[in-house]
Amino acid sequence: AQSVTQPDIHITVSEGASLELRCNYSYGATPYLFWYVQSPGQGLQLLLKYFSGDTLVQGIKGFEAEFKRSQSSFNLRKPSVHWSDAAEYFCAVIERDSNYQLIWGAGTKLIIKP
Amino acid sequence: ETGVTQSPTHLIKTRGQQVTLRCSSQSGHNTVSWYQQALGQGPQFIFQYYREEENGRGNFPPRFSGLQFPNYSSELNVNALELDDSALYLCASSRGGAIGNEQYFGPGTRLTVT
Repeated sequence: AQSVTQPDIHITVSEGASLELRCNYSYGATPYLFWYVQSPGQGLQLLLKYFSGDTLVQGIKGFEAEFKRSQSSFNLRKPSVHWSDAAEYFCAVIERDSNYQLIWGAGTKLIIKP
Repeated sequence: ETGVTQSPTHLIKTRGQQVTLRCSSQSGHNTVSWYQQALGQGPQFIFQYYREEENGRGNFPPRFSGLQFPNYSSELNVNALELDDSALYLCASSRGGAIGNEQYFGPGTRLTVT
């Protein structure tokens, strides 16, 4: 079945450390790829997206993601996390030639250690 | 520019009742999508409205219905509530139905069915 997988339910990192959140998808053709962040009591916010072209995508808040076709992955990275980055992160895809609906992963909760 | 707003913030209903949730889209946006997010899961696409017409639907039964009004605000109606309908309901607006148009999310309505 077509799906989006975020293998890590939680990740704990120290403030100032680097971060990588994993996302894998299983679709025949490369879908459109997105990362969103959800902070408590706030709506989902788009961090970045990949449609085509350069496989390293820069987003807001210092985040970047790299698309790797061979691994069907779109991992999110940040070189140095801040306490304000504590939130839940969702990877989502839109299948090409679909009705544009977003299909979401289950999310990864990021916990920051002081 | 006013963001996406949703009302009410929280709601408690009894099994078998009906509920209406409301969403005001961001200024200039003519497309609204609704999502259901159960606890600990990613959002699930319910349906999308574009210029007052349903433009796509996820895997939800017909007791989930919606409306979009001429001012592009929207309602989600759920009949014959079940315990599993307890979730956070998210509304997102965007400018047009194109994939490249970012969806802006509201803070959600937390529905509890007892």
